[in-house]
Amino acid sequence: DVKVTQSSRYLVKRTGEKVFLECVQDMDHENMFWYRQDPGLGLRLIYFSYDVKMKEKGDIPEGYSVSREKKERFSLILESASTNQTSMYLCASSPETGPFGVEYFGPGTRLTVT
Amino acid sequence: QKEVEQNSGPLSVPEGAIASLNCTYSDRGSQSFFWYRQYSGKSPELIMFIYSNGDKEDGRFTAQLNKASQYVSLLIRDSQPSDSATYLCAVNAYSSASKIIFGSGTRLSIRP
Repeated sequence: DVKVTQSSRYLVKRTGEKVFLECVQDMDHENMFWYRQDPGLGLRLIYFSYDVKMKEKGDIPEGYSVSREKKERFSLILESASTNQTSMYLCASSPETGPFGVEYFGPGTRLTVT
Repeated sequence: QKEVEQNSGPLSVPEGAIASLNCTYSDRGSQSFFWYRQYSGKSPELIMFIYSNGDKEDGRFTAQLNKASQYVSLLIRDSQPSDSATYLCAVNAYSSASKIIFGSGTRLSIRP
């Protein structure tokens, strides 16, 4: 019953490190998302991809980049990790047809930057 | 002003009763409306979505939409302790999933 998987559940990195978060979905969905979720701030979209090699900035893209070389895989890269990037990171996917919501979330990666 | 508003709770409901969760939104052009359930320490899970005014039922869950008043509700009948979670409302005014806006969620507690 695997739908959206993320490479790590917990990750601890040091300030300045380059961090890769990997996400894979097995539903052949066109859309993939990276969100971060913080207490009091809710879910915030970092990046969105609607096709291979296609991406769109979300609300908070600063300090992040993404890669989508294959349809099923969407990677989030923290170029130089900082303590304010400590958060829960959620990957998600949905089909390109309606209802234009987020259909499946991955289990999340709790990243701590020290 | 927040675009999707929910009471943060906690909302405490006795087991077996109806839990009523409310959400208001500011964009009159909103077209699709979603409810997600999120258990503590877990990721959100889509429960149901609704497009049209009125009620949509799925098992013990009923979503209610009133576009004129700009609110959407989720009713949970015969509440169970396993329904204790945070419920996120989300709204989209566009035909792109990237434009969906999430509320901050209502924490629901079902007391035995």
